Amino acid sequence: EVQLLESGGGLVQPGGSLRLSCAASEFSLSYYAMSWVRQVPGKGLQWVSGIDSRGGTSFYEDSVKGRFTISRDNSKNTLYLQMNSLRAEDTALYYCVKDPTRTTTGYFDDWGQGTLVTVSS
Amino acid sequence: DIVMTQSPDSLAVALGERATINCKSSQSILRSSANKNHLVWYQQKPGQPPKLLIYWASIRASGVPDRFSGSGSGTDFTLTISSLQAEDVAVYYCQHYYSNPITFGQGTRLEIK
Repeated sequence: EVQLLESGGGLVQPGGSLRLSCAASEFSLSYYAMSWVRQVPGKGLQWVSGIDSRGGTSFYEDSVKGRFTISRDNSKNTLYLQMNSLRAEDTALYYCVKDPTRTTTGYFDDWGQGTLVTVSS
Repeated sequence: DIVMTQSPDSLAVALGERATINCKSSQSILRSSANKNHLVWYQQKPGQPPKLLIYWASIRASGVPDRFSGSGSGTDFTLTISSLQAEDVAVYYCQHYYSNPITFGQGTRLEIK
């Protein structure tokens, strides 16, 4: 069974940084595109960023462009999201999600449990 | 950006009855060259991540009961649960993947009447 385990969330002050990690198990991350999707507790879903299976192509939602960087280390079976210049509106539960193909098809057939990021002074 | 609008925002249906959720995109999400609609439906139960139900607008994901079906094309789509079960209580989201940015509908909360 596919498992995605996010970590790295926590409380950070506005303007601060966090690095989220997503460790994949029971499958090889190298075969699939991956994304991050966030959800303010009790609210809707927002796609944040996606990356193809090799890490050569990445995409970002406009509000995070220039502040967030998605990356992957297929040798470690791990996906990352470096988040800089954090704002209060970045507060959310961040899900690591798996695309069913190598390219960013854009839908997600497996989801982690999420890691909570809180941006507050 | 493509805006996805679901209706209704909430819905109460009796057990065994049909539940219908609608999703409308602000522009066509039909890729004519492949004749495929770039739309999925997810189910999210309390305290859980979303679960993929339907992709390409009408194909059930693995393990999804056949009481769930998706239909529609172009800009108008529907998720139908043919006979509501207690375990179907959840929030349902549509999402397009026609272009970046990927966007979701606001969600429809489904409850038992």
